[in-house]
Amino acid sequence: DSGVTQTPKHLITATGQRVTLRCSPRSGDLSVYWYQQSLDQGLQFLIQYYNGEERAKGNILERFSAQQFPDLHSELNLSSLELGDSALYFCASSVGAGGSNYNEQFFGPGTRLTVL
Amino acid sequence: GNSVTQMEGPVTLSEEAFLTINCTYTATGYPSLFWYVQYPGEGLQLLLKATKADDKGSNKGFEATYRKETTSFHLEKGSVQVSDSAVYFCALRNSGNTPLVFGKGTRLSVIA
Repeated sequence: DSGVTQTPKHLITATGQRVTLRCSPRSGDLSVYWYQQSLDQGLQFLIQYYNGEERAKGNILERFSAQQFPDLHSELNLSSLELGDSALYFCASSVGAGGSNYNEQFFGPGTRLTVL
Repeated sequence: GNSVTQMEGPVTLSEEAFLTINCTYTATGYPSLFWYVQYPGEGLQLLLKATKADDKGSNKGFEATYRKETTSFHLEKGSVQVSDSAVYFCALRNSGNTPLVFGKGTRLSVIA
């Protein structure tokens, strides 16, 4: 158990809908990262938050957005869902923001999103 | 840009066989290199890492050596067990606040 929790575990929805994925980082970790894992694209970094502020952005679509709340949990919002958004969405957390020293990222178990 | 290429799977081995999973990378600067493992139904776990050329990362019998001259970080284990069955991801991270870049993963199945 990494200490990172994600809810829900599974989500099935229809095209055009909007969903929210939730992540609670390990106690004491200030950074939260979101990744998308799909069969064709592999594991891709979406976005990082550090202590409530957006820190780095990857291949995140405009239909997706995220935020980190004062209690440090994070939510990933996916809207106008398409079939191709079906994937496993991982959250990871680390103590720091990055920089020259590596902050190990601890991964949650993921949320499997199926868009029908 | 930064990218990681690892051998396609799946890889199926008998217990106690020797394992090699190839990983090569393209990066600007001097990246740190990682192997992550994903067991069925779980998130990724850091298996080992190396932060500079010629460093060897090792953990749980797995090893990988950072080879700058061949831009490689191949994962090896001398004798695999059934419990090693998982998906293995090679990844890199450049200096500064840059995110991890992952390879596509290699599924390993070890049969008794």
